[in-house]
Order: sequence, then C-alpha cells, then structure tokens
Amino acid sequence: QQQVKQSPQSLIVQKGGISIINCAYENTAFDYFPWYQQFPGKGPALLIAIRPDVSEKKEGRFTISFNKSAKQFSLHIMDSQPGDSATYFCAAGYSGTYKYIFGTGTRLKVLA
Amino acid sequence: SQTIHQWPATLVQPVGSPLSLECTVEGTSNPNLYWYRQAAGRGLQLLFYSVGIGQISSEVPQNLSASRPQDRQFILSSKKLLLSDSGFYLCAWSVPDRGNHPPLHFGNGTRLTVT
Repeated sequence: QQQVKQSPQSLIVQKGGISIINCAYENTAFDYFPWYQQFPGKGPALLIAIRPDVSEKKEGRFTISFNKSAKQFSLHIMDSQPGDSATYFCAAGYSGTYKYIFGTGTRLKVLA
Repeated sequence: SQTIHQWPATLVQPVGSPLSLECTVEGTSNPNLYWYRQAAGRGLQLLFYSVGIGQISSEVPQNLSASRPQDRQFILSSKKLLLSDSGFYLCAWSVPDRGNHPPLHFGNGTRLTVT
C-alpha cells in the first residue's frame, strides 16, 4: 500500500517528441506528488509537483496530469530535447510526515 | 544560499570493513536530514531521517546506522559491510515544514562498491 509503481523503466524519444512517464499509487492518504529529475552522477532535483485538488499542472514544457479516481499521475515532457535525457522519479507524500515514497525511476534518452 | 556537501564521491570497500559517509549542509539552520540509497531497479529507498541533533529515525532494518552529532552534519556508518550494501547513497536536506511538503535537496551522492 506504500508503493508507488512507475513505468516504463526506460524510454527513448526523438527530439521534439512527447515523453510520457506514468505512476500509480494505492494509499489514498497521499496528498502530494512530486517529480524529481536526476542527471548522471548527480543527486535528484525537484522538477514539478502537484496536489490532488487539481488535475493538471504545467511548468514550461513539463506537465503533470493527475487522475484521483484512478490513483494515477503522469509526467508529460513536450518538445523533448537531448538535454532532458535523465532519470525521472515520481514520488508521493502525505501530510504530517517528512517521508516520500519514490517510484523506481525511468531512464529517458532523447535522441538528437 | 544553501549547499550540501557529501563525500567521498566514490568508495570501494571489502566485505566486513567499516563504513563512514559524511554529509554537511551550509546556509540553513535546523534542517531535516535524510539518507537515501539508490539501487538499480529499486528507486530511492529512505534509510534514515533526522529532525534534530541526536534524533534519528530508521526506516529499513539493516547493518547501517546514522548519527547527527551537529545540527548540519549527518553521518552514515556501518561496522561490517555486506555485499548487499553496494549502491548509490544520497544525503538530502529539507526545511522543517511538515505541513507544506518542502522539497528535498540532494547531494551528489557516494557510489559505494563492496567487493
């Protein structure tokens, strides 16, 4: 119940294409869903986050879509660029704790 | 601005040897501190977190331990390493704001290989 399932494990997209990464959760107590981006040899960094009271959040080329009834959320990267090549982690957290449950990560490669 | 330092960047240790990884944060006071382990196909696993000096919460039973001797210093230790301890260890900090889901700020990690 504490798991966050992330797919796909790896993704290859052509430059200019749309990258889509999906996550699903079980625990309805989760009330915060961030995405982290990690470049090789570096620690992850917060990319974008959403709360369950909205269905979509957009920041530049990055959009989170959230489906509360399905307990699923996804990251869309529009006009994908080679510089977006990185590992992406979804996560879930709930109020009253400092802990986040992370997905297993998706390694994205954008071909030039 | 706040910075987080984590060292060493890479480490190769034999089975049964001790371990000490150190993490320090600058530019903030009373941060929450975290140790995560990243293993292939398993995402980021929270090992320990601390909300203050001497206050350590353990998330995963194992042969690792953590200590926070100073406000902005967090240490991960082991008395005897196992092969299964190999992985990428990440230290992170956040502001102590439980209600607003503060972001985690990660260091650049330590790649530990136990041989």
